Amino acid sequence: DTAVSQTPKYLVTQMGNDKSIKCEQNLGHDTMYWYKQDSKKFLKIMFSYNNKELIINETVPNRFSPKSPDKAHLNLHINSLELGDSAVYFCASSSRLPGQWRDIQYFGAGTRLSVL
Amino acid sequence: DQQVKQNSPSLSVQEGRISILNCDYTNSMFDYFLWYKKYPAEGPTFLISISSIKDKNEDGRFTVFLNKSAKHLSLHIVPSQPGDSAVYFCAACFGYGQNFVFGPGTRLSVLP
Repeated sequence: DTAVSQTPKYLVTQMGNDKSIKCEQNLGHDTMYWYKQDSKKFLKIMFSYNNKELIINETVPNRFSPKSPDKAHLNLHINSLELGDSAVYFCASSSRLPGQWRDIQYFGAGTRLSVL
Repeated sequence: DQQVKQNSPSLSVQEGRISILNCDYTNSMFDYFLWYKKYPAEGPTFLISISSIKDKNEDGRFTVFLNKSAKHLSLHIVPSQPGDSAVYFCAACFGYGQNFVFGPGTRLSVLP
């Protein structure tokens, strides 16, 4: 009954390949995100979707594209993979808890992508 | 351009003592701050937050202090327990957007 699940946990692939990472949340949240944790361990937001509308799109290469078939899913497609894409990618969803001013994010366990 | 900094990559504390994790930020527009805890092979989980209209927020053993003039916040854990051993991320945002900026994390080890 994992709240935010992403697959696969590990992904090893060659440069130039196209790959996808799937994310599903069963919390009924309206907003979902993709984060990239780089080699310096910073978590940087890549995309967020609210009710299937893209509301944040940071300066990521257009080789990365989020796809949301429904409110519970936000998949990440990556074309023409490069060495610099190697990182841990986290999916998250959010809602506002009572007494909180902002949404609180619930994260998946991460997908470690290694591009060889 | 690191808007949120956690200058201590790691911290070791004896069980039962206080753990103090620090976070500094550069963007004076930030008005909401959160701490997340992360265990290995898991995603970050929300711990505690504070808005800029407060200087302290407490939840059980966890207290967050905010010093706006110094652009500094800290997380205090009292008493520290071995189960608190994890990586702690500080995050900040402003406005009603969902653009949270995270620090690089501090690895806390609580020694029995």
